[in-house]
Amino acid sequence: QSVLTQPPSVSAAPGQKVTISCSGSSSNIGNNYVSWYQQFSVTAPKLLIHENNKRPSGIPDRFSGSKSGTSATLDITGLQTGDEADYYCAAWDSSLSAVIFGGGTKLTVL
Amino acid sequence: EVQLVESGGGLVKPGGSLRLSCAASGFTFSDYRMNWVRQAPGKGLEWVSCIASGSTYTHYAVSVKGRFTISRDNAKNSLYLQMNGLRVEDTALYFCARTRSGGYLDLWGKGTTVTVSS
Repeated sequence: QSVLTQPPSVSAAPGQKVTISCSGSSSNIGNNYVSWYQQFSVTAPKLLIHENNKRPSGIPDRFSGSKSGTSATLDITGLQTGDEADYYCAAWDSSLSAVIFGGGTKLTVL
Repeated sequence: EVQLVESGGGLVKPGGSLRLSCAASGFTFSDYRMNWVRQAPGKGLEWVSCIASGSTYTHYAVSVKGRFTISRDNAKNSLYLQMNGLRVEDTALYFCARTRSGGYLDLWGKGTTVTVSS
């Protein structure tokens, strides 16, 4: 069981907005940066958001991240069918001395 | 080109050993902390281990501590994962990934597959 909790799945229509939540604790999200990754099938994950809300170059501004307390969210606006993928949050856990990932959220664009 | 390329995966019997390698190119390997992350079939991402840029410290997931050893050779731009006492539940696609100063993993290899089965 993952230390970071994400909904197993979310769905929305093309053009709409979806929010993926990631809940943790003070030992991880509460005191460390959150990052988000996108993965298509079983391929190398791609960094979407780092340090809570920063986008790497090349990531569209349709993707945004935020953090409040021990929770974080990934927002995707203007959904496209090409956004269908698995999304993972991650953070360093200071108590475990480990990187922890959320269980992943499968996005379906209806 | 900036890239990470894993190798060394394969089929091994329970209790066996395997050594994974990750070759880095296109960046100054010795400047970065490095990680191994795995993904079991149909499952999510699971962080396995990390090693400091100068090998001054290592960390492991509870699930592999005492069985796996991470190491690196900065002169060869290479990262390694020695896996001993392999279990069926270690079956996964193993990725190596680079850590940036904010703690995030910004560069990933395509992975190498480890199958543990009798």
